[in-house]
Amino acid sequence: QVQLKESGPGLVQPSQTLSLTCTVSGFSLTSYNVHWVRQPPGKGLEWMGRMRYNGDTSYNSALKSRLSISRDTSKNQVFLKMNSLQTDDTGTYYCTRDWGRYNLFDYWGQGVMVTVSS
Amino acid sequence: NIVMTQSPKSMSISVGDRVTMNCKASQNVGNNIAWYQQKPGQSPKLLIYYASNRYTGVPDRFTGGGYGTDFTLTINSVQAEDAAFYYCQRIYNSPTFGAGTKLELK
Repeated sequence: QVQLKESGPGLVQPSQTLSLTCTVSGFSLTSYNVHWVRQPPGKGLEWMGRMRYNGDTSYNSALKSRLSISRDTSKNQVFLKMNSLQTDDTGTYYCTRDWGRYNLFDYWGQGVMVTVSS
Repeated sequence: NIVMTQSPKSMSISVGDRVTMNCKASQNVGNNIAWYQQKPGQSPKLLIYYASNRYTGVPDRFTGGGYGTDFTLTINSVQAEDAAFYYCQRIYNSPTFGAGTKLELK
C-alpha cells in the first residue's frame, strides 16, 4: 500500500539548516510527484514545493530563496533542505503524494514536528 | 497570486444538522478546487476534488459545489466524527490553501 514517512530532527537552532527525508513505498517516484506542505502550530497549511516525477522541482515563491528539494529514486526518498531557519518556521512538515500530477494530494505522511529554538 | 478565503472561521453544529462552509477564490479557478478534512493530530485527508467529485471512500453526506470563484462544502446529517478542520485548496499551478473552517459539535 501507499505510504509516506517523514524523518528528521525535531529541534533546529535559529539560522541553521533544516534537513528532512520523505521515504515512500507502494509507488514509484518516477511516476508520481511528491510535495512538501507545512503547518505552523494551530494554523493552516502552506505548500512549500514539489519534486516532479521527471526530477524537475518547483517552489513556493515565498520560500524559493531558502528551499531545495531533491531525491534518490534508488532509495525511494525525497529530501527537503531549508536554510536560515527562524522561529516562524516551527511547525509540522508533511510530504504528500500528488495524484494525477495536478497538485491534488491523495496520500500524506504522518508529519514531523520541527521546532526552531535555541 | 490567487488567495483562497474560507468562511466562517468556525461553526458549532449539532449531530444530524446540515452544514455548509464556503471558499472564495480571488480569481476564476474554474472547478480546480479540492477539499480536505484534518482532525486534531492527524494529517489532512482528501474529501473532494475538482469541486464536486467525492474521493474514494468518502461518505456521500459530503458534497462539494461551485465554479469559478465561489465554492461550497456541504455535510448533510453531520456525524460526531465530522468534527475537524476543513481546508479548500486550489489545484494546478501553485497550490494554495484556504485558512480553514473549524467544525465543532455541540
